[in-house]
This record gives sequence, structure tokens and C-alpha cells, in this order.
Amino acid sequence: EPEVTQTPSHQVTQMGQEVILRCVPISNHLYFYWYRQILGQKVEFLVSFYNNEISEKSEIFDDQFSVERPDGSNFTLKIRSTKLEDSAMYFCASSEAGRGGYTFGSGTRLTVV
Amino acid sequence: AQTVTQSQPEMSVQEAETVTLSCTYDTSESDYYLFWYKQPPSRQMILVIRQEAYKQQNATENRFSVNFQKAAKSFSLKISDSQLGDAAMYFCAYRTIEYGNKLVFGAGTILRVKS
Repeated sequence: EPEVTQTPSHQVTQMGQEVILRCVPISNHLYFYWYRQILGQKVEFLVSFYNNEISEKSEIFDDQFSVERPDGSNFTLKIRSTKLEDSAMYFCASSEAGRGGYTFGSGTRLTVV
Repeated sequence: AQTVTQSQPEMSVQEAETVTLSCTYDTSESDYYLFWYKQPPSRQMILVIRQEAYKQQNATENRFSVNFQKAAKSFSLKISDSQLGDAAMYFCAYRTIEYGNKLVFGAGTILRVKS
């Protein structure tokens, strides 16, 4: 069964550093997403991406964040100048057009120290 | 804006018994999707079951079934013959039918299964 692949599975970074989280969505999916889950809390939407541009973003997704699809397969989330409160699980997801569901990756656990 | 409410922070069930997790939502849309996701300790998000609002028939996937009450905006998950592997956090989620729209999640219910 097709999977959404996320790397790395766990990243530790110093406060103020930049991190890039990587995702390979399912190949025939057209919509890509990033979600965040702070430990013990609900899953929060960050951004959706379609046709090489952001289609929607939440208030969490400020200038510190950016997304990119640098080639035909990867979808990345960049966090500039990380803060302690950015520590969370970050999930990538993709969906096909129509009434299809979402497929989530297994997540990247980001720890900012 | 749509909201999803899970009023049970935690539930327990005896192995082989049946448990029902509650979810209510608020929307002005007439057509939409509802989902239940399972998040085990590995924290992976696993789709359990999906319901399309225009379908009156309740969705079923093996031991998992839903009770979808559109007028009441209620979407509960029933787990029959509970197994130890069912222990996890369960999230209810909502999405409009428009392509590419985000999922809106509830706060989650921790399900504990006792042997």
C-alpha cells in the first residue's frame, strides 16, 4: 500500500537554528499538508499546498515557516530560527482529488533545546 | 468555522467488550466527511473509518462502526470485541467536501484496554 514517507523520524536542534523536515507524498496525490501536534495536545493544521502554491495556512504558520516542493517528489517544511515551543510532532499528509481520504506520514519528532 | 468536540478525555474497556467513543461537531455545511483516526504510542496517525455525510448508511470496518446522526451532528465510534492493540488515542476529525480542505480535529480520547 502506498505510503507517505517522512524524514528524519526524530530531530534535535538548538534554539535559533533552522530545520528542514522532509516528506515524500504518495505519487498520484495532488494535495499536501503539514500538521503539528504538541505533546498531549490536539493535532493542528499548519498549511496546505496545491499546484505549487499554498492554498491555505493557519495562524500558526507565520513568517518563521515555509514550505516547498523542490522537485516532483519531495515536500518540505522549513522552520527558521526555531523556538522551544516549536518542539512537537510534525505530520505530513497527502490526499488525492475527489472524495478520497488523507494519508499521514509517521511523523517527525522535533525537539528544540 | 467548523469545530469538533470529544467530551471524553479518557475511556476504559475490558478486553472483548464493546466501547463507544463520542464526537460532536458544528458546521453549516450539508455535505462533508467525518473520520476517526487512531494514534498508538508510536504516534503514527492511522485512519480507522470514514463517513461521507450524504450517505445515510453508517460506515463499518470489521470491528469498528460508527453511529452517524446528521441532524444531531453526532459521530460516535463503536469498537466491538476490544483487543489490547486497540489501546490508543482516538481522534475524531471533520473535513468539508471541497478538494484540498484541511482536517479539523477534536481533542482526542485516550482508550485503555484492560486484560
